[in-house]
Amino acid sequence: DTGVSQDPRHKITKRGQNVTFRCDPISEHNRLYWYRQTLGQGPEFLTYFQNEAQLEKSRLLSDRFSAERPKGSFSTLEIQRTEQGDSAMYLCASSSDMGRYTFGSGTRLTVV
Amino acid sequence: QKEVEQNSGPLSVPEGAIASLNCTYSDRGSQSFFWYRQYSGKSPELIMFIYSNGDKEDGRFTAQLNKASQYVSLLIRDSQPSDSATYLCAVNNRYSNSGYALNFGKGTSLLVTP
Repeated sequence: DTGVSQDPRHKITKRGQNVTFRCDPISEHNRLYWYRQTLGQGPEFLTYFQNEAQLEKSRLLSDRFSAERPKGSFSTLEIQRTEQGDSAMYLCASSSDMGRYTFGSGTRLTVV
Repeated sequence: QKEVEQNSGPLSVPEGAIASLNCTYSDRGSQSFFWYRQYSGKSPELIMFIYSNGDKEDGRFTAQLNKASQYVSLLIRDSQPSDSATYLCAVNNRYSNSGYALNFGKGTSLLVTP
């Protein structure tokens, strides 16, 4: 068990560009979550998958954000037409039991 | 809007003392509650969870839950400098469909001084 892996660890992009992040959950976990965290704030819920089904999306997730989890394995989070306000740490977590999450190391996005 | 409120701190305690961290939540229907620890520059890690009213102890940590008062707390006994971190309170909230997800507070920064 290698834990939850996220790639890349850091991403610097110009405003208006598209970015995609990947998360590989713990293989036995059927639940996968994406959160966003900015400095001094707690993680904010973005979206949640159970197996390959996207069950929940926060109203924080604008039309520029899309997430997938094909075949219930890894997940991707894409942000189109990035804005400076998208700069944050994007955290992925997986769990087999509600609430007991294992987080990945996160992807730090900087939009310049 | 379901809220989870924490005092941002910093809370400073001397080494060996008891640190008391508090959290209130707005959704009276919440059933499960979690404490995560986050070191600077790292991702959160689960340290305690509690589902029933009362106390739950695990080593130096005790979680306390009072659903009537919508209040959760975390006590850390014999605090060590290595306990210095941000402590996030999280409540499992039901969203519009069938799913649940954790709703986090902003966290309380704890500093344990030698």
